[in-house]
Amino acid sequence: QQQVKQSPQSLIVQKGGISIINCAYENTAFDYFPWYQQFPGKGPALLIAIRPDVSEKKEGRFTISFNKSAKQFSLHIMDSQPGDSATYFCAATWEGNYQLIWGAGTKLIIKP
Amino acid sequence: KAGVTQTPRYLIKTRGQQVTLSCSPISGHRSVSWYQQTPGQGLQFLFEYFSETQRNKGNFPGRFSGRQFSNSRSEMNVSTLELGDSALYLCASSLGQGSNSPLHFGNGTRLTVT
Repeated sequence: QQQVKQSPQSLIVQKGGISIINCAYENTAFDYFPWYQQFPGKGPALLIAIRPDVSEKKEGRFTISFNKSAKQFSLHIMDSQPGDSATYFCAATWEGNYQLIWGAGTKLIIKP
Repeated sequence: KAGVTQTPRYLIKTRGQQVTLSCSPISGHRSVSWYQQTPGQGLQFLFEYFSETQRNKGNFPGRFSGRQFSNSRSEMNVSTLELGDSALYLCASSLGQGSNSPLHFGNGTRLTVT
């Protein structure tokens, strides 16, 4: 119940295309869903996050879509660029919990 | 504001030895978490310290230990190193106030055990 299942494990997208990474959870107590981006040789960095009171959050080319009834959330990267090539982690937690429950990560490669 | 600093950046040790890794959090952050990252296992949570107290612990053997000092700096120790301990060890700091406190990661210490 504590797991966050992330897919796909790896993804190759052409430059200019849309990259989509999906995550699913079981614990209905989760109320905070961040996405972290990690470049090679660097630590992960917070990219964007959403709470379940909204179904979508957009920041530039990055959008989180949230489906509370399906217990799923996804990251969409519009007009994907080679500089977006990185590993993406979804995560979840609930208010009062001090630890994130992490997805397994998706290695995204954007082909020029 | 300076980011999270981890030292050393790279470390090579021999099986059976012990190692200490260091993490300096962002100024004002009272929570420090440690993670082990391997290619096949993603981010595995080791433990979290808040104001010098261990608040959460992951499922790692007792060979893995940590501590936090009064200035919030943290160290992680691994004793009796095994080949499987080879990994990137990441430290993250935050204000420690639950989901309102995003994690800020350092760039990690790459440990190789031979």
